[in-house]
Amino acid sequence: AQRVTQPEKLLSVFKGAPVELKCNYSYSGSPELFWYVQYSRQRLQLLLRHISRESIKGFTADLNKGETSFHLKKPFAQEEDSAMYYCALSNCHSNSGYALNFGKGTSLLVTP
Amino acid sequence: EAEVAQSPRYKITEKSQAVAFWCDPISGHATLYWYRQILGQGPELLVQFQDESVVDDSQLPKDRFSAERLKGVDSTLKIQPAELGDSAMYLCASSRPGTTATYEQYFGPGTRLTVT
Repeated sequence: AQRVTQPEKLLSVFKGAPVELKCNYSYSGSPELFWYVQYSRQRLQLLLRHISRESIKGFTADLNKGETSFHLKKPFAQEEDSAMYYCALSNCHSNSGYALNFGKGTSLLVTP
Repeated sequence: EAEVAQSPRYKITEKSQAVAFWCDPISGHATLYWYRQILGQGPELLVQFQDESVVDDSQLPKDRFSAERLKGVDSTLKIQPAELGDSAMYLCASSRPGTTATYEQYFGPGTRLTVT
């Protein structure tokens, strides 16, 4: 069975400090992993995809198959990064889309 | 910029009553998803449509929940009868076909259901 674990419910850091939001997954196949973010009073939205190896708003995430992890990192946190972050996994490869299996989320609070 | 629309935004209903939620996906998005998000949890898939066909409804409690997308555009999710445990945020999302390199689900604002 596929499962996504985000061990931290709340993470509080100071502005300018590095931040790492942890995500571990269990899946026997080749996973597709994503980070979604929800800012206060906004919709859930895609932050980044592992396959794109992109950096969005200074965030990066590397898929580590050996450790089955997909941690989200940013070297210098900003106050506007405060939000709810969800790690999500999909195993469905088809033209009909990719249903997502979400973790419970981590609330990031960046304080001045 | 096109967005997924949902209504109502809030719904309070009594136990055993029927309730319905509506979703209008982004134009051209063939795939539509309904998720349920209980407070403190991540969204959980209830049903996935490709055009008007159900792709996955394995997690939909079919004794009380039903979903349809008759013309392959907008969709309705119904609960009858509602139970206290159904209190949650109901999210609709849509996506267009593509590879994982371009794949993205676009979410609506959600409908917050409270069952009393």
